[in-house]
Amino acid sequence: DTEVTQTPKHLVMGMTNKKSLKCEQHMGHRAMYWYKQKAKKPPELMFVYSYEKLSINESVPSRFSPECPNSSLLNLHLHALQPEDSALYLCASSQGLGRERIEGNQPQHFGDGTRLSIL
Amino acid sequence: GIQVEQSPPDLILQEGANSTLRCNFSDSVNNLQWFHQNPWGQLINLFYIPSGTKQNGRLSATTVATERYSLLYISSSQTTDSGVYFCAVLGPLGSGGYQKVTFGTGTKLQVIP
Repeated sequence: DTEVTQTPKHLVMGMTNKKSLKCEQHMGHRAMYWYKQKAKKPPELMFVYSYEKLSINESVPSRFSPECPNSSLLNLHLHALQPEDSALYLCASSQGLGRERIEGNQPQHFGDGTRLSIL
Repeated sequence: GIQVEQSPPDLILQEGANSTLRCNFSDSVNNLQWFHQNPWGQLINLFYIPSGTKQNGRLSATTVATERYSLLYISSSQTTDSGVYFCAVLGPLGSGGYQKVTFGTGTKLQVIP
């Protein structure tokens, strides 16, 4: 799916560095997601934003800090990561979750991911 | 939470062969997607199929929601079909009214010339 753009494609950082992953979509989707995928495992949900508000945090450590500045952009700020945080980080979007209730069951569209390595 | 199991976990096919991949889920779901993850890590939508049957070229999928399974058929396989196939289900409403997406365990397919 090339309609969701993730940058950078690869990132190598030290445990004391601060970096950010970026995700952008222009499909008018109002729900955006971060997933983490370790080698030979399925993607695991980290965060969900609905209408620019954090809806779900799947008990993710505070060294991962999501941000949704507008409906098209989703960031993941990284600080003081550990070697076990090395993984493929995937962003996805879908048409949306209702503001007050779940409406519709829309497919998720994924970006190509950022491959993160922690030294 | 909902459990999603895929079978077989690994599959090796000769180019041109057909195959069937299965996805079983433990609870009622509101939707189901099939994805292909290529060797470069890209997750590609194949089907969005809450029920019934859909076809796209050499691929087709069938979901029988009442019996909690979905099947992905690959015909005349090609080496470019290699990779991991995931099903992902949208489960029942959880706390906060959110329907969680859960990925299956995956089937790793290798198509050899």
